[in-house]
Amino acid sequence: DTGVSQDPRHKITKRGQNVTFRCDPISEHNRLYWYRQTLGQGPEFLTYFQNEAQLEKSRLLSDRFSAERPKGSFSTLEIQRTEQGDSAMYLCASSLGGRGQYFGPGTRLLVL
Amino acid sequence: KQEVTQIPAALSVPEGENLVLNCSFTDSAIYNLQWFRQDPGKGLTSLLLIQSSQREQTSGRLNASLDKSSGRSTLYIAASQPGDSATYLCAVRGDDYKLSFGAGTTVTVRA
Repeated sequence: DTGVSQDPRHKITKRGQNVTFRCDPISEHNRLYWYRQTLGQGPEFLTYFQNEAQLEKSRLLSDRFSAERPKGSFSTLEIQRTEQGDSAMYLCASSLGGRGQYFGPGTRLLVL
Repeated sequence: KQEVTQIPAALSVPEGENLVLNCSFTDSAIYNLQWFRQDPGKGLTSLLLIQSSQREQTSGRLNASLDKSSGRSTLYIAASQPGDSATYLCAVRGDDYKLSFGAGTTVTVRA
């Protein structure tokens, strides 16, 4: 068990560019979650998957954000036409059923 | 909407002192509560998970209590060490699986 991994760990981009983040959950976990954390705040829920099905999306997830989990394994989070307000730490977590959630190291995004 | 509050926002103690971190939540209909540790610029490390039917959980120097009816949880860290310096986050999970987090308590343990 290698834990949840995320790639890249850091991303700097210019406003208006598209970015994509990847999350690999713990192998036997069927649920995968995305959260966003800004400085000095706790993480905020964005969306979650059960296997390959996306079951809930937060109002924080504007039309510029899209997430996928093909085949119920890894997941990608894409942000189109990035804005400075998108600068944050993007955290991925996974769980097995209703048990505790385990987080990855996060991807820190800076939009210039 | 579930609101989670952590008090105090920051805490500084000398090494060896016991730490008491508080978490309160507005909706008592929770499935479980997790305490996490976060080091600067890093992800979250799960410390303790308390199911809604439980009153407390212990792991080494850490003990967390849960009073669901009053919407409160407390994390106790015994005999603090400089390595305990970090931000501690409380999160509650409802039936909808998503976690609602507090803003955290930043702890500094002085050597």
